[in-house]
Amino acid sequence: DIVMTQSPDSLAVSLGERATINCKSSQSVLYSSNNKNYLAWYQHKPGQPPKLLIYWASTRESGVPDRFSGSGSGTDFTLTISSLQAEDVAVYYCQQYYTYLTFGGGTKVEI
Amino acid sequence: EVQLVESGGGLVQPGGSLKLSCAASGFTFSGSAMHWVRQASGKGLEWVGRIRNKANDYATTYGASVKGRFAISRDDSKNTAYLQMNSLKTEDTAVYYCTCGDYDFFDYWGQGTLVTVSS
Repeated sequence: DIVMTQSPDSLAVSLGERATINCKSSQSVLYSSNNKNYLAWYQHKPGQPPKLLIYWASTRESGVPDRFSGSGSGTDFTLTISSLQAEDVAVYYCQQYYTYLTFGGGTKVEI
Repeated sequence: EVQLVESGGGLVQPGGSLKLSCAASGFTFSGSAMHWVRQASGKGLEWVGRIRNKANDYATTYGASVKGRFAISRDDSKNTAYLQMNSLKTEDTAVYYCTCGDYDFFDYWGQGTLVTVSS
């Protein structure tokens, strides 16, 4: 199975500042035939189901604010929140869907 | 509007069985793969398994921790997916989510149902 490793486990960011979350896969999730990275990001708040933010590593889901962006390729990926808002406090997960499916361990974002 | 509604959670003893249901509406259920994802208290998300659609022979795939104990099925006439859980262990205690999407990432999620395995 592909192991997804997120860092840091948690981070505290001031309102309006940038938050950066890293995700590393144990093998490449880039499918060469279509040049797509099979990597998604989710936001999870207590008492709610997870919410899809980003797929194909950098495509923002409809309705997701543009302060959320995804980047990276192959084995190294980043989720960036450009200007943290109070409502962004949550746990963030990366997920690979290249083969089977696995999630990273999560990163808790606090103010 | 897409809706996924899980049911069937509850308290079960170790070694016991439980069957969860996921009632779907608002999209073409028969054409979609359906997944189950769980989250134990204080832990991260864990993919449980998937059932594909008829065109893909209803193929099922499972995560390593549940393989051989859990089984996913579906009834397209009822727009419902199921998760049969056997030989339950205390470590299976979690909120179980039904989820789906166009690919193997998840646009839509249910609210989840809590399964507690305890004596």
